[in-house]
Amino acid sequence: SQELEQSPQSLIVQEGKNLTINCTSSKTLYGLYWYKQKYGEGLIFLMMLQKGGEEKSHEKITAKLDEKKQQSSLHITASQPSHAGIYLCGADMGPGHLGGADGLTFGKGTHLIIQP
Amino acid sequence: DGGITQSPKYLFRKEGQNVTLSCEQNLNHDAMYWYRQDPGQGLRLIYYSQIVNDFQKGDIAEGYSVSREKKESFPLTVTSAQKNPTAFYLCASSIHLGQKDGYTFGSGTRLTVV
Repeated sequence: SQELEQSPQSLIVQEGKNLTINCTSSKTLYGLYWYKQKYGEGLIFLMMLQKGGEEKSHEKITAKLDEKKQQSSLHITASQPSHAGIYLCGADMGPGHLGGADGLTFGKGTHLIIQP
Repeated sequence: DGGITQSPKYLFRKEGQNVTLSCEQNLNHDAMYWYRQDPGQGLRLIYYSQIVNDFQKGDIAEGYSVSREKKESFPLTVTSAQKNPTAFYLCASSIHLGQKDGYTFGSGTRLTVV
């Protein structure tokens, strides 16, 4: 079963509109990471959240982690064409996961298209 | 500038061939990772390495092999045993396992079986 669920899978938004992407886990997370990927390229780190209730912003992007540390949202205000791409959440699921690797588990991604 | 370099950007493999994907970092990171990305699947961990001369299998290691002879380098070999190798491969590194301040990713290699 998928341990990290992202929604929606894809999103088409008119330029200038706001949007929200969600990332949900059935387990309490030790850390939550948001990345952006342009098609056919590597992932660019956006933000990291570790504390329950934490919120971080960078330019027009705001990420929040709920108090239970099981759900995170990524909110983009006044979207622009440069925001288009794939947004992925990655989670630190804690000790013992992935054989003790401490590696990140990733969601399937959200494809964001900005319509002019 | 520090970063991770993956090469080649595009790679074509014939049936039955082994191919090696290169990943080099000059960030002085201890930990390195290989992920595979398929449409609609997200990223899946193939192998990871905590330090030089040590590596561990991830979720989908079958048909792949790695080496970590130098801190800077973590090449991935896709062997003929990998039945469906066509995918986008991403290499990443972090300061060390347990240091959770994010991964740095390379720009990826797209492998296609012809």
